[in-house]
Amino acid sequence: QLHLQESGPGLVKASETLSLTCTVSGGSISSSRYHWGWIRQTPGKRLEWIGSIYYSGTTSYNPSLKSRVTISADTSKNQFSLTLTSVTAADTAIYYCASQRIGYCDYWGQGTLVTVSS
Amino acid sequence: QSALTQPASVSGSPGQSITISCTGTSSDVGGYTYLSWYQQHPGKAPKLMIYDVGTRPSGVSNRFSGSKSGNTASLTISGLQSEDEADYYCSSFTSSSTPVVFGGGTKVTVL
Repeated sequence: QLHLQESGPGLVKASETLSLTCTVSGGSISSSRYHWGWIRQTPGKRLEWIGSIYYSGTTSYNPSLKSRVTISADTSKNQFSLTLTSVTAADTAIYYCASQRIGYCDYWGQGTLVTVSS
Repeated sequence: QSALTQPASVSGSPGQSITISCTGTSSDVGGYTYLSWYQQHPGKAPKLMIYDVGTRPSGVSNRFSGSKSGNTASLTISGLQSEDEADYYCSSFTSSSTPVVFGGGTKVTVL
């Protein structure tokens, strides 16, 4: 059974860069079984898919965020990461990492709250 | 605005059955069988309850069932219990530029 854990700063200043890491245990991110994704939940509880990375390194991003998002992977540490540049208050959310299949996410991290301050 | 439409709230008494709807388009719900449902308790991460329209992951109670007709999917909770009180989200694969879309969520209240 997979276990995912997000880590990173809980407070980011507006216009700066948000960086989060997801550490995966119980399975390898080099596995072809999964895409590794990031999803965020706004204060209004809306869920928004941010993007994902496949074991091959192929990435896919939400077009609404694509210009600011980068997802990368470090197979030696079994981790994948999210970078979101030029953040604003609208990026304040709980950020989840998850193992992603076609149409669903079966394992989720506990989530980490990121607040963008002015 | 969420891509999939869910009712804001649904309620029922213990032991009753309730159904939550999730309406999309032929580009998402109606076009694929990649429809999933998540349960979220306060302060917790979403938990996968149903995938591929009606398949339950191991460990999920058989009181939860899913179905789909046209552009609308449904989650039915039978024998409603107090621990079922939570927010529920649907999600679908989509042919749009974003491969994953979510519903706005439905708050289930056990009366």
